Amino acid sequence: AQSVAQPEDQVNVAEGNPLTVKCTYSVSGNPYLFWYVQYPNRGLQFLLKYITGDNLVKGSYGFEAEFNKSQTSFHLKKPSALVSDSALYFCAVRDMGGNTGKLIFGQGTTLQVKP
Amino acid sequence: DGGITQSPKYLFRKEGQNVTLSCEQNLNHDAMYWYRQDPGQGLRLIYYSQIVNDFQKGDIAEGYSVSREKKESFPLTVTSAQKNPTAFYLCASLRSRDRVMNTEAFFGQGTRLTVV
Repeated sequence: AQSVAQPEDQVNVAEGNPLTVKCTYSVSGNPYLFWYVQYPNRGLQFLLKYITGDNLVKGSYGFEAEFNKSQTSFHLKKPSALVSDSALYFCAVRDMGGNTGKLIFGQGTTLQVKP
Repeated sequence: DGGITQSPKYLFRKEGQNVTLSCEQNLNHDAMYWYRQDPGQGLRLIYYSQIVNDFQKGDIAEGYSVSREKKESFPLTVTSAQKNPTAFYLCASLRSRDRVMNTEAFFGQGTRLTVV
């Protein structure tokens, strides 16, 4: 079965420090992977995606993610965290069956950046 | 500006009532989706539609119904059969049926439904 796991419910980091939000996936074949961010009582905003090519993907607001096929991971990173980065982050993988465009989401990780 | 509009932002339902959540997009997207969000559970797919007048059940369709009479609109009805409807509901759309695999979804701002 296809799935996404975000092993940390919450990540705490000091402003200015690097941050990592972890994601692992399980799909058959080559994955299509996405990161979204959600601020309180708002919809999801797209950050970045991995489709093919370079394993390091750069996205919005200074975020990047590293695709690691051998470890089936797609961790979200940022070199220097901002207080405004505090939000709920979702990793998702495209459902590979039927060309429907469905997304399978992880349970989300709350990022707390403290000044 | 193009986008997805969900309304209302907040909705209160009494026991036994049906309520309808609106989702409208002016992005000319073919595919539309409804997800339900509960704390600590991520997003779960309720229904989706890839073309007008056609829709499919997702993982948690019981107690919900949808229609897709127009390309721009994909309303979700939460029926009285849904025993635990209190949640945050998100509508999403995708640009093209031909590129659904590698295209990111756009999301509306959500509707928070509470049973009173």
